Amino acid sequence: SQTIHQWPATLVQPVGSPLSLECTVEGTSNPNLYWYRQAAGRGLQLLFYSVGIGQISSEVPQNLSASRPQDRQFILSSKKLLLSDSGFYLCAWSPFGGRLQTQYFGPGTRLLVL
Amino acid sequence: AQKVTQAQTEISVVEKEDVTLDCVYETRDTTYYLFWYKQPPSGELVFLIRRNSFDEQNEISGRYSWNFQKSTSSFNFTITASQVVDSAVYFCALSEAGSSNTGKLIFGQGTTLQVKP
Repeated sequence: SQTIHQWPATLVQPVGSPLSLECTVEGTSNPNLYWYRQAAGRGLQLLFYSVGIGQISSEVPQNLSASRPQDRQFILSSKKLLLSDSGFYLCAWSPFGGRLQTQYFGPGTRLLVL
Repeated sequence: AQKVTQAQTEISVVEKEDVTLDCVYETRDTTYYLFWYKQPPSGELVFLIRRNSFDEQNEISGRYSWNFQKSTSSFNFTITASQVVDSAVYFCALSEAGSSNTGKLIFGQGTTLQVKP
């Protein structure tokens, strides 16, 4: 069966510091990968998606970037965090082969920027 | 424009009551999928159901049932005989099949369900 991991689970970082959040998927090949952010108030917003290694598309211009160095690894980064980057970051995967596949979410990373 | 509206911000019921969570969506696509996810206090989103736009058949899974009506652009979720473990935030989401679609899920703002013993 497929599983998705995220780490760290919780992170407290000062403004201006760098960020690296990692997401890995097990039990599947060539997944579509997604990064969402859930700010206080609960709405979820798609940040990045990837259909393959090195292929990253951004949905919303922002202070963050994403990379996919391996087939089942997706990384969310920032060079300098802003207060507004605080939130709950969720990684999701969907099976290879179509845009309308169900997305399955990881446990998330809670980020607090102080 | 795509949009998902969950007008109920919070619902509180007593255990064993039935409860319906409303979801209304907007889309110009004729082909799309609708989803429900559950977010317990731990934070992880748990997939509950997916329906495509060509299948308006209602679905029942245990205590859960879903009513999809294209005429009213609604995809409502009913929990029968609610239990304390049903307490969570529930999200309705839309994914369109348009050529520019990334597989992006458009989420509603969520409904917090509290089931009291």
